[in-house]
Amino acid sequence: EPEVTQTPSHQVTQMGQEVILRCVPISNHLYFYWYRQILGQKVEFLVSFYNNEISEKSEIFDDQFSVERPDGSNFTLKIRSTKLEDSAMYFCASSAPGDSNQPQHFGDGTRLSIL
Amino acid sequence: RKEVEQDPGPFNVPEGATVAFNCTYSNSASQSFFWYRQDCRKEPKLLMSVYSSGNEDGRFTAQLNRASQYISLLIRDSKLSDSATYLCVVNLPFNNDMRFGAGTRLTVKP
Repeated sequence: EPEVTQTPSHQVTQMGQEVILRCVPISNHLYFYWYRQILGQKVEFLVSFYNNEISEKSEIFDDQFSVERPDGSNFTLKIRSTKLEDSAMYFCASSAPGDSNQPQHFGDGTRLSIL
Repeated sequence: RKEVEQDPGPFNVPEGATVAFNCTYSNSASQSFFWYRQDCRKEPKLLMSVYSSGNEDGRFTAQLNRASQYISLLIRDSKLSDSATYLCVVNLPFNNDMRFGAGTRLTVKP
């Protein structure tokens, strides 16, 4: 069964440093998403991406965040200057095109630890 | 009102019990509804879609009440392996974005 893959599985970074989280969505999917989940809290929407542009972003997704699909397979989330509160699990998801909303399929996440 | 609201639980039930989770959503124009399960420190995994007429998948039954903006999940004959957090997910109208409830934690005990 095709799956969404994310790398790295765990990233430890000093506060103020840039970090890039990588995702390879399922190959025929057209909608891509990033979510974050702080330990013990709910899954929070960050951003959705379709047709090479951001469809929607949440209040969390401020100027420190950016997304890119550089080569048609990878989908990346960049945090420019990390803060302690960016420590969380980051999930990438993708969904297929369809007439009605398709379910999203999640990667197994990147645990980001900011020191 | 929150976009998606769930009873956080926890629900602690014995093996073999029947348990039901509820979820309400705020946007009456939402069209797609799902239940996901999430194991501790793992990614959410699709459990089942929720259809207007209600649907069943083995021991799991999902119901939708559009008038009340209410979704339910019923688990019959609970197994130890059903222990997880169950996430109610609702789409935003006019795009493909989804919003997650905070989840309901279930523990099935021997």
